[in-house]
Amino acid sequence: TQLLEQSPQFLSIQEGENLTVYCNSSSVFSSLQWYRQEPGEGPVLLVTVVTGGEVKKLKRLTFQFGDARKDSSLHITAAQPGDTGLYLCAGASTGGGADGLTFGKGTHLIIQP
Amino acid sequence: ETGVTQSPTHLIKTRGQQVTLRCSSQSGHNTVSWYQQALGQGPQFIFQYYREEENGRGNFPPRFSGLQFPNYSSELNVNALELDDSALYLCASSLDRLAGAAQYFGPGTRLLVL
Repeated sequence: TQLLEQSPQFLSIQEGENLTVYCNSSSVFSSLQWYRQEPGEGPVLLVTVVTGGEVKKLKRLTFQFGDARKDSSLHITAAQPGDTGLYLCAGASTGGGADGLTFGKGTHLIIQP
Repeated sequence: ETGVTQSPTHLIKTRGQQVTLRCSSQSGHNTVSWYQQALGQGPQFIFQYYREEENGRGNFPPRFSGLQFPNYSSELNVNALELDDSALYLCASSLDRLAGAAQYFGPGTRLLVL
């Protein structure tokens, strides 16, 4: 069974600060996705990383896929209240789409003005 | 372009009853996946349908079943409801069934089993 562990589970910081969220596993994934979920809504895809060592930037968000494709991180620079939400990482197995995505439990992020 | 829609938004059932949840996929998407998200947890994969056939299944008992229709909309049926079935049920559509395909989620159906 593949598992993804996210840390921290909860994070509350002031507007303007930087933060990093981690997603770790002992399993190799063919790709990894990051989603953001707000209360009462479904998750919204932020990025997909595919290649080991890959780095992708989305405005103030930087995503990195580990060299061994077992872990990933999300770094937010100068956090804003609009960044508040549940951040979920999800891995796609190397076995194909029939296994679905394996999600972590998520990081609850609160950015205080 | 219409996004993924789900109905109903909320539902209350009692133990032992049966429930049907519905999902309309995003235009052009032929693959639908269902996930269960318990409170405080990440979504857990139930199963995936591709062109009207079940393409893969997670660790859920047979009382969880589904259908996909020719227009690619889908249903999730749960029989003999248990208290632990209380959760947010999410439907996601994608352009194909490949691993890592971008998933477009609906807002979910919140099911409460009493």
